[in-house]
Formats: sequence, structure tokens, C-alpha cells
Amino acid sequence: KAGVTQTPRYLIKTRGQQVTLSCSPISGHRSVSWYQQTPGQGLQFLFEYFSETQRNKGNFPGRFSGRQFSNSRSEMNVSTLELGDSALYLCASSFGLQDTEAFFGQGTRLTVV
Amino acid sequence: AQSVTQPDIHITVSEGASLELRCNYSYGATPYLFWYVQSPGQGLQLLLKYFSGDTLVQGIKGFEAEFKRSQSSFNLRKPSVHWSDAAEYFCAVGAGGFKTIFGAGTRLFVKA
Repeated sequence: KAGVTQTPRYLIKTRGQQVTLSCSPISGHRSVSWYQQTPGQGLQFLFEYFSETQRNKGNFPGRFSGRQFSNSRSEMNVSTLELGDSALYLCASSFGLQDTEAFFGQGTRLTVV
Repeated sequence: AQSVTQPDIHITVSEGASLELRCNYSYGATPYLFWYVQSPGQGLQLLLKYFSGDTLVQGIKGFEAEFKRSQSSFNLRKPSVHWSDAAEYFCAVGAGGFKTIFGAGTRLFVKA
């Protein structure tokens, strides 16, 4: 079956702009988590969605937001981009909330210039 | 506080040599432990996981890991490394979702 699909794979944006990233989980999975990966901070948890509701949120400013649709697809949005937002954004899907078996997408590489 | 430490930022081994990547954790309860691998520009792939039972866990691609509660360690091993194993390896502890804490990663270089 198809894996986790993240689009786009690469993105270049200018400071101050906003960006929307998309994640389609594995069919049947209802939980989607987002992570930011940078060389300096490693993998940091952003949010977790289950059944269209944000269940948990990491320690990120309000410029980072997300949502989940009824088909479990999820989007995350970053407004007023800063240079420090440049990172690989990873999405992981799992069947249930905080399921121990998570499957990661290939990520979206965001570069802010 | 819960944490994961991977003491080695990078390791270089010769192809065909054995490999051990170290992972130490701090977790209040009996942990769920994971090892993931990430190739350049790719997402994370689960190599193996430990929840309970046999402390020696077999994973994909010939990897295994041993849970040692007394040492709070979950080291990853492979008896013979292949050039395609060159990647970054992440140890993680937790219960999934926001409760999963990742280590900083160990980058593996394989020399011919």
C-alpha cells in the first residue's frame, strides 16, 4: 500500500511569506504527527492530529499551525517565515493516537531566504 | 526528565566490519525504544522496536538491538556493514506521537 506522501518535496520561500505543507497518511491511518528537523535542534515535535482535532502541540510559536481533514490528510502552515524556519519538515502517520508504530514521509525541505 | 543520548555524532567503519551504535535513555517508566534510519534527503524508516519480552530485538536489514535496563541502554548492532548502510541513525524513546523523544542522531560513514 502507498506510504506517507508529503508535498511539495522542496520549497524556497522569502522571509515574511507564509507556506503550507501537505501530508497524506497511509490509508486507514487516522493520526498524523509533524516534526521539524534541523542540524542544530534535531527532531522536534510540532503537533499531533487525530480525528481532525489537534491533540498535542510542541513548543513552537503561534506562527506554526495545522489542521487535519476528514480524510485524515493534514496540512501545516507557517506564517511570517523567518530564516530559522529553514528545515526538513517530516510527517508521520499511525493508525491510532500515540500509536507506537509510526511511518514517516520523505519530508518537505523548506528553505527560507 | 525524559531524554535520549547518542554519544557518537559520527562513526566510520570499514565495509564488512561490525557496527555498534550507542544509545542511552532516561525515562520514568518502562520505555518503548526505537531505532530509525534516515538516508540523505529521506524520511525516517523504522529499523526495530522494543516494547517488552526478549531484550534482544531483531530488525530489518540485518540489524539487532539489545535492551539493558541496568545500563539504560539500547545499542544497535550489525555484524557486517554494507556500503548501503551509510546513513544517519536515530534512537528514540517514548510512547508514540508527542511522547516520542529522539536522540540527536549518529551519522554512519562506511569506507571501502
